[in-house]
Amino acid sequence: DAGVTQSPTHLIKTRGQHVTLRCSPISGHKSVSWYQQVLGQGPQFIFQYYEKEERGRGNFPDRFSARQFPNYSSELNVNALLLGDSALYLCASSLAPLTGYEQYFGPGTRLTVT
Amino acid sequence: AQSVTQPDIHITVSEGASLELRCNYSYGATPYLFWYVQSPGQGLQLLLKYFSGDTLVQGIKGFEAEFKRSQSSFNLRKPSVHWSDAAEYFCAVGADRSGGGADGLTFGKGTHLIIQP
Repeated sequence: DAGVTQSPTHLIKTRGQHVTLRCSPISGHKSVSWYQQVLGQGPQFIFQYYEKEERGRGNFPDRFSARQFPNYSSELNVNALLLGDSALYLCASSLAPLTGYEQYFGPGTRLTVT
Repeated sequence: AQSVTQPDIHITVSEGASLELRCNYSYGATPYLFWYVQSPGQGLQLLLKYFSGDTLVQGIKGFEAEFKRSQSSFNLRKPSVHWSDAAEYFCAVGADRSGGGADGLTFGKGTHLIIQP
C-alpha cells in the first residue's frame, strides 16, 4: 500500500510569492496534519484537519492556511512568503484526529524562499 | 504549554555499543510520549510510544524507552547499535483537546546519532 505522498518534492520561490503544497494520506486515513521543520530543528505543528474541518492549529501567522478535500487529501497554502518560511514541510495522516492514533509521515516538501 | 528537551545535539557511539538518548518533557498531566527517527531525505518513522501502563515500552528495530514520571523523562535505549541506526532522533509529546481533535505533537530539537565503525 502507498504511504503518505507529498508534492512537489522540492520547490524554490521568491519572497512575497504564494505557494501551495499537496498531501495525499494513506488510504482509509481521514485525518491530515501539517508540520514545518526548519533546518536543525524538530517539526513544528501547523494544522490538523479531519473530515474537511480544522481540528487544531499551531502558532503560525494567518499567511498559512490549509484545507482538506472530500477524498481526504489536503493542501497547505502560504501567502507572502518570507525567507524564514524556508523549511521542510511534512504531512502526516492518521485514522482519526486523536493523539493515540499513530501519525504516518510523508517524505516532505523542501521549500526554499530566495 | 507542553515542551520537550533533548539535551544532546550530537552523540557518537561505536557500532555494537549500547545507546541512550535523553528526553525530558514538560506537561501538566501524563502526556502521550513518542520517539521518532528521521533518516536523510526521509520522513519521520515512529519507533515507539507511551500512553499508559507499563513504563518500559518496546519498539521497532530493537529500541526501548522508559517513562519516569518523577524525572519527567522518556529516554530511548538500544543495547547494541548498528551502522544503519545513524540518523536524527526526535522525542515528542502530544495531548488531546477536551473538545476533540489534538494540538499536534510537540517535538524536541533532535539528537543526531553518529555510529563509529
